[in-house]
This record gives sequence, C-alpha cells and structure tokens, in this order.
Amino acid sequence: NAGVTQTPKFQVLKTGQSMTLQCAQDMNHEYMSWYRQDPGMGLRLIHYSVGAGITDQGEVPNGYNVSRSTTEDFPLRLLSAAPSQTSVYFCASRYDRAGANVLTFGAGSRLTVL
Amino acid sequence: ILNVEQSPQSLHVQEGDSTNFTCSFPSSNFYALHWYRWETAKSPEALFVMTLNGDEKKKGRISATLNTKEGYSYLYIKGSQPEDSATYLCAFTNAGGTSYGKLTFGQGTILTVHP
Repeated sequence: NAGVTQTPKFQVLKTGQSMTLQCAQDMNHEYMSWYRQDPGMGLRLIHYSVGAGITDQGEVPNGYNVSRSTTEDFPLRLLSAAPSQTSVYFCASRYDRAGANVLTFGAGSRLTVL
Repeated sequence: ILNVEQSPQSLHVQEGDSTNFTCSFPSSNFYALHWYRWETAKSPEALFVMTLNGDEKKKGRISATLNTKEGYSYLYIKGSQPEDSATYLCAFTNAGGTSYGKLTFGQGTILTVHP
C-alpha cells in the first residue's frame, strides 16, 4: 500500500516554464487536494476535488490548474511559473468527501522558480 | 474564506511541562475539526478528527476537546517530551454549500520542548 505518492520531490524551473506535479493515491480516496507551504503561512489550499470529474478552487488557485479524470490521480499544473510559486507543495487525500476522515499527505515537492 | 486561528504561534516549554494550545474556527455550519502533528522535514500526520460538540479524543499523552457552539478546540500535551517538538495544525471543514469538503488549516502552533 503506497499511500499518497508525489513526484518529483525537487524541481527547479525558470520563470515562464510550465510543469506538472504528479499525485497518485491507491487507497480509493474520494477527496484529493493540493496545498502549498510557505514560511509563516501554514498550509494554504490551492485546489481540491471531491471525486473524479469534480474540482474546485481553494484559497490560492491563481497560476495553477488541476484535473481529476480518475479517482487515483490529481495532477497540479503550473501554467507559467513565477518566482512567487517557489514553495513546498503537498498533495493530500482522504476517504470521504465531507471531511470526517483524516488526510493522508504525500512526502512533498520542493519547487524553486528562478 | 473560512478563518481558522491558532494560538499561540509558538511555545517553548521544559521537558515534563504540560501545555495546551487553542484553535478557533467559525461556529456556524460546523462539520469537522482536525488536528495534525507536523515535524520538520516530514509530512503532517493526523492526530484526531472531531465532529460532535463536547467530543474529547486522546492518544497517549495528547488529548483534544471540541466546543462547536463557541467555535474552539483545545489540544493538550501532558508531560511534554523533546520528541513532542513539532508544529501542531488544526483544520476545519464546514457542512456544505459552496465549500463542501474543503479543509482549511490554521497557521499552526510551533512547540519546542527543551530537555
């Protein structure tokens, strides 16, 4: 049981480049989400999904795109990277849509935009 | 935006001290309150989920209480140990509407336990 798998663990981009952070879970979780962690800011929600085909915006969605074509995968796309997107990104999933079950987090992806 | 506030922002205690921190959240339309423990260079790990007013949860030396009517939860650590040093995060989700299922985190309380 792999849990939540995020790739890559580290990435350096130049301003304007695009990339996709991959997230996959093998626990048949309905809910998946992406957070970013910045110093002094805690975890801020970027996008989330309560099931395949359903996505919604979190607190800081600008500059990011998501899709949920399968239950297992929830990729996060940076359309045109900016230095302000330098951060550590966490994917997290949980069994239920509503929130009565805990989140399981991936190991994190550290992104640097030059 | 659903505001989740945690206090204090940071806390230094001596080994053996008991301590507690607060999480405040909107009291209307409550669904669930989560607590997570986050060690440096690791991923957050779940401690508790509470859904009912008056809920109390316990895991070893760590316990939590919930008051949904006034919108707060307390996390208690009894007899703190250096290995308890971490950031403690709470997160809130409400019962529906446009933010159904959305889990919003507070900024965390950074606990440092000195030997």
